[in-house]
Amino acid sequence: DQQVKQNSPSLSVQEGRISILNCDYTNSMFDYFLWYKKYPAEGPTFLISISSIKDKNEDGRFTVFLNKSAKHLSLHIVPSQPGDSAVYFCAARRAGNEKLTFGTGTRLTIIP
Amino acid sequence: EPEVTQTPSHQVTQMGQEVILRCVPISNHLYFYWYRQILGQKVEFLVSFYNNEISEKSEIFDDQFSVERPDGSNFTLKIRSTKLEDSAMYFCASSRPPNTEAFFGQGTRLTVV
Repeated sequence: DQQVKQNSPSLSVQEGRISILNCDYTNSMFDYFLWYKKYPAEGPTFLISISSIKDKNEDGRFTVFLNKSAKHLSLHIVPSQPGDSAVYFCAARRAGNEKLTFGTGTRLTIIP
Repeated sequence: EPEVTQTPSHQVTQMGQEVILRCVPISNHLYFYWYRQILGQKVEFLVSFYNNEISEKSEIFDDQFSVERPDGSNFTLKIRSTKLEDSAMYFCASSRPPNTEAFFGQGTRLTVV
């Protein structure tokens, strides 16, 4: 079941620069997308979400972009900080359904 | 800030034994979930629970698994006869519509030996 894919298992970015994490999905029934951040030995922490009726949502240093025609979303973090080093999961939900389908995650490392 | 809490943080059990994983969801949330993550793999949905009944379950959630909300605060996942392949991190989560984001606990690491 590869309905949500994160093709980059890892990403390294210099502190202060922009981090861009990508996510692709195949199920056109998904109508809500979320990004979670996960530190080792902890549960996923909600970061930001976007509804399919929007193409951008911003919250502080975090911005999520959605391209429905390409079935692609991305998370931008700017400026990147050392505390942003974690695994980032993209997740998606179908309309009328509470289940989240997760991607495989991207490990982000911020280099001081 | 309210949070989802899970106990124990780590459980070691022998194959064939029953285990109960416990969760206290955020108090005003209405939907409750269990997810799991096998080492090195993605987070997978197991079951959702609403209004005192299962609202959806995955193929993984077979007859060995059950969930219960025994009182107003706890939410439990029971695995009746554990197998080696049940070894994973188990995450409890909760949410409150109309907000869609689920809030996760810190997880219980289940090791079946």
